[in-house]
Formats: sequence, structure tokens, C-alpha cells
Amino acid sequence: GEDVEQSLFLSVREGDSSVINCTYTDSSSTYLYWYKQEPGAGLQLLTYIFSNMDMKQDQRLTVLLNKKDKHLSLRIADTQTGDSAIYFCAERFDRGSTLGRLYFGRGTQLTVWP
Amino acid sequence: DTAVSQTPKYLVTQMGNDKSIKCEQNLGHDTMYWYKQDSKKFLKIMFSYNNKELIINETVPNRFSPKSPDKAHLNLHINSLELGDSAVYFCASSLRDRGETQYFGPGTRLLVL
Repeated sequence: GEDVEQSLFLSVREGDSSVINCTYTDSSSTYLYWYKQEPGAGLQLLTYIFSNMDMKQDQRLTVLLNKKDKHLSLRIADTQTGDSAIYFCAERFDRGSTLGRLYFGRGTQLTVWP
Repeated sequence: DTAVSQTPKYLVTQMGNDKSIKCEQNLGHDTMYWYKQDSKKFLKIMFSYNNKELIINETVPNRFSPKSPDKAHLNLHINSLELGDSAVYFCASSLRDRGETQYFGPGTRLLVL
């Protein structure tokens, strides 16, 4: 459960859609999260999805979950320069001594060009 | 109205010193965490407390000692600071019976010289 993989960088033009991908390791993960970190700031919870869902939409954000492939994605529609940040994917474990533990990916640096 | 707060925001100190970082949450959560983020942005859990009881203790040197005086506070004391301790330390909190979504503080940037 410690190998949450994300690509490190993504660049898009303002107004385009951004898709940030993540693969996780444990099929028994109960929740999967997306956090945003702006420069010099803490982690801001963007959205999360329960493992029995395939999709969740929240305004400009769409989360897709493919449990079979252990693949999670975050789509940001109409990306703005203010969306430039690092985006972290995290999976939550709820087994035995790992109860409630989050494992994070290394983050995807999203750069939005005007 | 800050949800999870940490002090100090920046901490610059000499090797060998002892320092503490404080964390407070006003969300009524019962579980609190300390994470370390290294220079490559890798984020890893260090400790977790539920109702003042230690429930997660990763492989962290004994120089790091968390203390939870009550459910709303989780402090981190570090003895004999080393250069490799330089990182950003994040506190987080969650409510165990509400999906345990974790809310993070703004971080404490520790630089050991």
C-alpha cells in the first residue's frame, strides 16, 4: 500500500481541461482522496471518492475510479491559472494496525499557461 | 476560525538543539496526525493519536516524541536536531466515525543548520 504513483508534471493552457492520473496498490482501500498544495501552503482537501463509486462530480472537478485497474483520475474542467499547484492522490487503509492511515503519491505539479 | 493551526510557521535552528511544534484543531475531531514532507514533496505519516492515545507510530527516530494533552492538541517535540530533520511538518485531524477525511494545517517549515 505504499506505492501510490503519479506523474510528476503536467502543463496545460488556460481554458483547457486537465487530467491528473494516479495508480494505487491496495484493492481494499476504502477512500481515495485528492489534495491540492499551493506554493508555501498546506494541503487542501479537494475531493474524495468512496471505493464503491465509479465517478464523483463537484463543479469543475470530476473524479473517476477504476477499481479493477486501481486507477484514479482527477479532471479539472476549464483550468485556470489559479489551479496551478501540486495535486496529491492518497489512498486510505482500514486494515488492522493500518486503520485510517493515508498513503500519498509524490504529487503532480500542474502548471497552467495563460 | 482556523480549523487546524500550527505554530511556528517557520523554524530555523542549529543542529543539536531541541524544539517543539504545536498543533491545535477546533473541528471537534478525535484523531490527530503528524506528517513529514521532504524536499521532494514526499509526504509520509509519522504519528497518529486517537482520543489522546497513540495509534500509529511509524519508524521514526526516538528523538521525535509526540504529546497529546487533550483531543484538540498534538505537539511534536524533537530532541538533538539533525540536518536531515529539515522538512515541512504537517499536522492533520479527522473524525473517526465520519469517514476520517483528514484536514491539514498550514505546515511548519523546519530548517536545521
